[in-house]
Amino acid sequence: KQEVTQIPAALSVPEGENLVLNCSFTDSAIYNLQWFRQDPGKGLTSLLLIQSSQREQTSGRLNASLDKSSGRSTLYIAASQPGDSATYLCAVSGNTPLVFGKGTRLSVIA
Amino acid sequence: GAGVSQSPSNKVTEKGKDVELRCDPISGHTALYWYRQSLGQGLEFLIYFQGNSAPDKSGLPSDRFSAERTGGSVSTLTIQRTQQEDSAVYLCASSLGTRSEAFFGQGTRLTVV
Repeated sequence: KQEVTQIPAALSVPEGENLVLNCSFTDSAIYNLQWFRQDPGKGLTSLLLIQSSQREQTSGRLNASLDKSSGRSTLYIAASQPGDSATYLCAVSGNTPLVFGKGTRLSVIA
Repeated sequence: GAGVSQSPSNKVTEKGKDVELRCDPISGHTALYWYRQSLGQGLEFLIYFQGNSAPDKSGLPSDRFSAERTGGSVSTLTIQRTQQEDSAVYLCASSLGTRSEAFFGQGTRLTVV
């Protein structure tokens, strides 16, 4: 059974810092990994999708990497801003539909 | 439409009543997912539709829960005889297929009183 773990559960950083969020999964037989953002009381917004054959994807200040063999992904956020404050979720797709981690709650302090 | 649309956005119902939640996926998306998110919890998978294949119902928590997808487009999640523990946000997502990017709606917040 696929299990997804995200560390840390919560993170508070001052504005301008670079930061890394971690995601690990137990079954490496995945099609892809997706990072989402969730603001309080809202749905999920897709940030980045990495196919299993890819090593990384970039969008603006966000960079996601994937090491499928070790079951790990990282989301790097450069020059964090207060508007980045949200919960970040990773999810993997494989033989089972999207399986989610519990998320990392990020607070960026001005 | 431009994105995944869910209705209603909020629903308050009395314990024991039946409720129907609706999801309009992005046009052309063959895959549709339902998840539940309880307060402070992660996303719990409920059911998955892919094209004309039999749906994956492995996440439905009890036989009070059912879902259908008509014409490969709109989906309805039905909860019969609602209980207080059914209170949660119900989220729907769609994608072009299992290997494609998934897009979520804004969710339906269900409160059972």
